[in-house]
Amino acid sequence: GAVVSQHPSRVICKSGTSVKIECRSLDFQATTMFWYRQFPKKSLMLMATSNEGSKATYEQGVEKDKFLINHASLTLSTLTVTSAHPEDSSFYICSALGRVAFLSTDTQYFGPGTRLTVL
Amino acid sequence: DAKTTQPPSMDCAEGRAANLPCNHSTISGNEYVYWYRQIHSQGPQYIIHGLKNNETNEMASLIITEDRKSSTLILPHATLRDTAVYYCIVRVAGGSQGNLIFGKGTKLSVKP
Repeated sequence: GAVVSQHPSRVICKSGTSVKIECRSLDFQATTMFWYRQFPKKSLMLMATSNEGSKATYEQGVEKDKFLINHASLTLSTLTVTSAHPEDSSFYICSALGRVAFLSTDTQYFGPGTRLTVL
Repeated sequence: DAKTTQPPSMDCAEGRAANLPCNHSTISGNEYVYWYRQIHSQGPQYIIHGLKNNETNEMASLIITEDRKSSTLILPHATLRDTAVYYCIVRVAGGSQGNLIFGKGTKLSVKP
């Protein structure tokens, strides 16, 4: 249990275009999802917290108009990188907060990540 | 959330137990100890978590000291596929305030 999927796994786009990344919790409902970004040889950095049916909460320094987050259902959150530029090239990872039957507390489960390359 | 301290890297021979230490001397009473690992170019994988009792699952064992200021993740029989960066994180359980803050972790290299 506790599977989180991301799509696409890899995307290459031209500068100025927008890219949408989907994050789905496949076998549990997630009222809260998180979006992280990871640059080469660096640790994960939290970008935003997404709650189902409400606006996302962005970390300091993350532009909300550039990184649009929608959490329309209990199993789906999307991240849209608008007007992408080469400096937005990174590994984007989502996670979903959920509870599986054998655990007593909510736990974050991560997707496999999306490698974005902006030319 | 409390900060954690981990060694930057460790080596382990294949088939032997890997013992990964973590210090969290400022942990609060309601904070859990979580362990995740990240294999190269993949998303982090949940391993185990605990509050104060030792925990074991099919992947690993978690030993938490009585004062809760440190813990050890044990992989009983390390394989080459266990080569990854291991993150020890302390946080309150559940809720939107409980997002994970990743440090630098320990890079575990399992060698044949």
